[in-house]
Amino acid sequence: DGGITQSPKYLFRKEGQNVTLSCEQNLNHDAMYWYRQDPGQGLRLIYYSQIVNDFQKGDIAEGYSVSREKKESFPLTVTSAQKNPTAFYLCASRWVGQNYGYTFGSGTRLTVV
Amino acid sequence: AQSVTQPDIHITVSEGASLELRCNYSYGATPYLFWYVQSPGQGLQLLLKYFSGDTLVQGIKGFEAEFKRSQSSFNLRKPSVHWSDAAEYFCAVAPTGTASKLTFGTGTRLQVTL
Repeated sequence: DGGITQSPKYLFRKEGQNVTLSCEQNLNHDAMYWYRQDPGQGLRLIYYSQIVNDFQKGDIAEGYSVSREKKESFPLTVTSAQKNPTAFYLCASRWVGQNYGYTFGSGTRLTVV
Repeated sequence: AQSVTQPDIHITVSEGASLELRCNYSYGATPYLFWYVQSPGQGLQLLLKYFSGDTLVQGIKGFEAEFKRSQSSFNLRKPSVHWSDAAEYFCAVAPTGTASKLTFGTGTRLQVTL
């Protein structure tokens, strides 16, 4: 079945360490997105990419980095510069130009101790 | 900039009762509108969407939403709630034409009592 796979589901890191969250889709979607979710704040856009080798900052990009070397993959790195990295991270994808909703992965919960 | 307001943080209804979750948006034109549902620790599932046309939109799981341009609202309704509907619900908007970026509301947590 087609879908989005986020791994791992739970991730623990020590403060000051960089960590990379994986997002893979086999839907042949053009665009991919990373959202951060905190209680009471909804989802906030970190980065998005509409084509391979191109990506744009979202509303809260500081302390994060991404790459889009392959259409199906959009990994997110949470760097040590991110002041409060503990959160639930959601990856999403969609076809560009089509009027469809986004497909979301099941998320990665990152805890920094 | 576009924004979405969900004024109710938490709602409790009895099983079998009707439900209405409120959503208001701020945007220069009529955006694309979405409702998503999230179970704890899970991703988001699309309930329904509005792009144009009939202002009453039917979705999955018996949900519907009505777009009211004059009120900039897109409220979600269900005539009879089931215990399995307990979850968090998010309203979202995206610019027309490309739907390139979703902006979410802060969510409404629904609790269903038996």
